[in-house]
Amino acid sequence: DTGVSQDPRHKITKRGQNVTFRCDPISEHNRLYWYRQTLGQGPEFLTYFQNEAQLEKSRLLSDRFSAERPKGSFSTLEIQRTEQGDSAMYLCASSLPNSDGYTFGSGTRLTVV
Amino acid sequence: SQQGEEDPQALSIQEGENATMNCSYKTSINNLQWYRQNSGRGLVHLILIRSNEREKHSGRLRVTLDTSKKSSSLLITASRAADTASYFCATDAGNFNKFYFGSGTKLNVKP
Repeated sequence: DTGVSQDPRHKITKRGQNVTFRCDPISEHNRLYWYRQTLGQGPEFLTYFQNEAQLEKSRLLSDRFSAERPKGSFSTLEIQRTEQGDSAMYLCASSLPNSDGYTFGSGTRLTVV
Repeated sequence: SQQGEEDPQALSIQEGENATMNCSYKTSINNLQWYRQNSGRGLVHLILIRSNEREKHSGRLRVTLDTSKKSSSLLITASRAADTASYFCATDAGNFNKFYFGSGTKLNVKP
């Protein structure tokens, strides 16, 4: 599989629980991005990595959110103490620098009940 | 906000007709991209147009860019039912590092 993989596809969690999502980018892509998308809206930028370095974080990414890319390959996005407002589709994308576009994964749909 | 904004929000056409979607943005850009998203799925990159380009074609897609008006259009010719999806434009803010997405145009192509 040469695409961007995200796991799990769906996650239902109770408010207050922690969740972690994983993204496996295209292997030769050194840039990795996390976006969040709510119903009827476009994706909102959360953060991006170049190799293992997290170079930018959106103000949308509160203290409860943390992302890592420990070896410059896969990435994880953790949300602590989930709230109902965290319910959304979390999208991962990867690219080469100055490339002709992102390759997105299919996303992880989070529902906080 | 640097976000591109698409217009119209929703578009319904018959199969075989052409579909035109517009995108406006606020600040200077290096690149503008168009993506398609089928319901509940990830986004698929369609085409990128650079700020020094005015028009680009890819199959049944034609994208134009007018940097003086800060606007772009996506034309899908001879639409098919399979083109039913949401279409998003994405702009950088003179920053190659990330793209900002609008709210999208929801296209429905009726067979």
